[in-house]
Amino acid sequence: NAGVTQTPKFQVLKTGQSMTLQCAQDMNHEYMSWYRQDPGMGLRLIHYSVGAGITDQGEVPNGYNVSRSTTEDFPLRLLSAAPSQTSVYFCASSYLFLGDGSYNEQFFGPGTRLTVL
Amino acid sequence: ELKVEQNPLFLSMQEGKNYTIYCNYSTTSDRLYWYRQDPGKSLESLFVLLSNGAVKQEGRLMASLDTKARLSTLHITAAVHDLSATYFCAVDRWWDSNYQLIWGAGTKLIIKP
Repeated sequence: NAGVTQTPKFQVLKTGQSMTLQCAQDMNHEYMSWYRQDPGMGLRLIHYSVGAGITDQGEVPNGYNVSRSTTEDFPLRLLSAAPSQTSVYFCASSYLFLGDGSYNEQFFGPGTRLTVL
Repeated sequence: ELKVEQNPLFLSMQEGKNYTIYCNYSTTSDRLYWYRQDPGKSLESLFVLLSNGAVKQEGRLMASLDTKARLSTLHITAAVHDLSATYFCAVDRWWDSNYQLIWGAGTKLIIKP
């Protein structure tokens, strides 16, 4: 299994440009999420999905769109890049289990380092 | 609102010493996760703690969970330089048919040779 893959690894954009960060997983996980991590900071949830066709906003959704047309893929779109979106972006996925003894360990992709000039 | 607080946020220690990182959370949860992040790298799962009194150990790291106190600890025994990393804890949040992991801010651990 490849696990969670993200492309590209690095990207430089100019203010106002748009782009899509790709995320794919081959573990048949229901749950997928996007986080951003700023230098020296923790993780902030951008958007998440509990299954194909279902997405919702996290803590910092402004300026980003997502879609989940398949179980495997969860792309993140930057609509009009701003310098404040310079960050490292992580995609993560997990099963969605609820019940005694179950857990939802998230697996992370390698990250995309984005710089907006 | 579910909050997860870690302390300390930064820890510099000498090799060979013992220390503990604390993770407090503000509402009931019986699943707690510990992750490790090396500088410039992604996050990897260390431990999943599923019930009150759960204890997991791997090498010099031992994690425990007290759901009544809403507290998890990550204990480092006889630290070595290779354990330098940022450690995050997280807890499950379920509501309606929705789900999130709620993360602590992370503890940056530097172990000096």
